[in-house]
Amino acid sequence: QSALTQPPSASGSPGQSVTISCTGASSDVGGYNYVSWYQQHPGKAPKLMIYEVSRRSSGVPDRFSGSKSGNTASLTVSGLQAEDEADYYCSSYAGSNTLFGGGTRLTVL
Amino acid sequence: QVQLVQSGAEVKKPGASVKVSCKASEYTFTGYYIHWVRQAPGQGLEWMGRINPNNDGTNYAQKFQGRVTMTRDTNTAYMELSRLRSDDTAVYYCARADFWSASDYWGQGTLVSVSS
Repeated sequence: QSALTQPPSASGSPGQSVTISCTGASSDVGGYNYVSWYQQHPGKAPKLMIYEVSRRSSGVPDRFSGSKSGNTASLTVSGLQAEDEADYYCSSYAGSNTLFGGGTRLTVL
Repeated sequence: QVQLVQSGAEVKKPGASVKVSCKASEYTFTGYYIHWVRQAPGQGLEWMGRINPNNDGTNYAQKFQGRVTMTRDTNTAYMELSRLRSDDTAVYYCARADFWSASDYWGQGTLVSVSS
């Protein structure tokens, strides 16, 4: 199976909102409500932000939200802050497989 | 608190094998899957496979079938990758995950360098 498709980059100014998309297929994103989003800062391990499409992991600010429509999931970061600058990866359960997106570098201008 | 502690960096020659360990603590080891994910320098995350410590069941990404073996003992998971190539140079992570693949705790990563 192919990786999920994410835009390579996204950006926004402090206080603004930005949305990152993640497109898969009916066999993964579209077929299950088990999409996760991870944040990764340089040199660090990934951190779970969102699971089951829209549930925030413990300690994650409510500025982060997730949604899904058809074969595309989305992560929205509202009220951008400098510390949100990082790489973001989506991931989907796909039966006996797990898929990752290629990652989106979020820049806070 | 939940911890996954991985073994140290490795340097290998092409054609060799590497075995990375991931020691779990402060949770019921058999209650969660262990996933292995790698990240080549400057690249994205790549899922390699998972093991269910409850029954030793494994699922491997098609790309690694025949080259990867995931095992475990009491509280430690292992990932062995054989017939190493230079493009296997990457940081290898283990992660605790539920059945639906949400990985809430990650190891610190193990750098595997493959060079002649």
